[in-house]
Amino acid sequence: AQSVTQLGSHVSVSEGALVLLRCNYSSSVPPYLFWYVQYPNQGLQLLLKYTSAATLVKGINGFEAEFKKSETSFHLTKPSAHMSDAAEYFCAVSEVPSSGNTPLVFGKGTRLSVIA
Amino acid sequence: DTGVSQDPRHKITKRGQNVTFRCDPISEHNRLYWYRQTLGQGPEFLTYFQNEAQLEKSRLLSDRFSAERPKGSFSTLEIQRTEQGDSAMYLCASSSYRDLGQKNIQYFGAGTRLSVL
Repeated sequence: AQSVTQLGSHVSVSEGALVLLRCNYSSSVPPYLFWYVQYPNQGLQLLLKYTSAATLVKGINGFEAEFKKSETSFHLTKPSAHMSDAAEYFCAVSEVPSSGNTPLVFGKGTRLSVIA
Repeated sequence: DTGVSQDPRHKITKRGQNVTFRCDPISEHNRLYWYRQTLGQGPEFLTYFQNEAQLEKSRLLSDRFSAERPKGSFSTLEIQRTEQGDSAMYLCASSSYRDLGQKNIQYFGAGTRLSVL
């Protein structure tokens, strides 16, 4: 069974500082990995995805993540935090889609606060 | 492409009442998913459709829950005899299995927040 662990339910950074949100996954098969962002009372917006191509993935809003198979990690980073980055971030894993079901398995989320 | 739409955005109901939510996926997306998100948790898979066929249901989907996608387009999720534990955000997502370039990228709606009093 697949699972995702997000270390730190709440991360606080100063505006302009590095953002690092941690995600470790467990999967018995090669996974697809995703980061989503959720603003209050809204749905989830896809930030970036890893689908077995380049291990360093660039997403929207200056975010990027690196797939490290040896560490089973997919940490999300952004060099310089902006106030608008304050939100809830979810890491998710799925199996490589073939003909079967590929629901996403989510972590519990990390709330990012940005301090002026 | 107008994105995934969900209606209503908010629903307040009394315990024991039935509620129905609607999801309109991105046009021509053949896969549609329902997830439930409780406070402080990530979304949890409930069920999914490929076209009009409901192919899998999570153990979270009790007998009081039923989902349909009659023509392979919009979907409805009904909860009968609601309980306070059903209070949550219900999220719908869609994806295009046919488009290999999309590779299981699921696009989410804004969700329906259900409050059971």
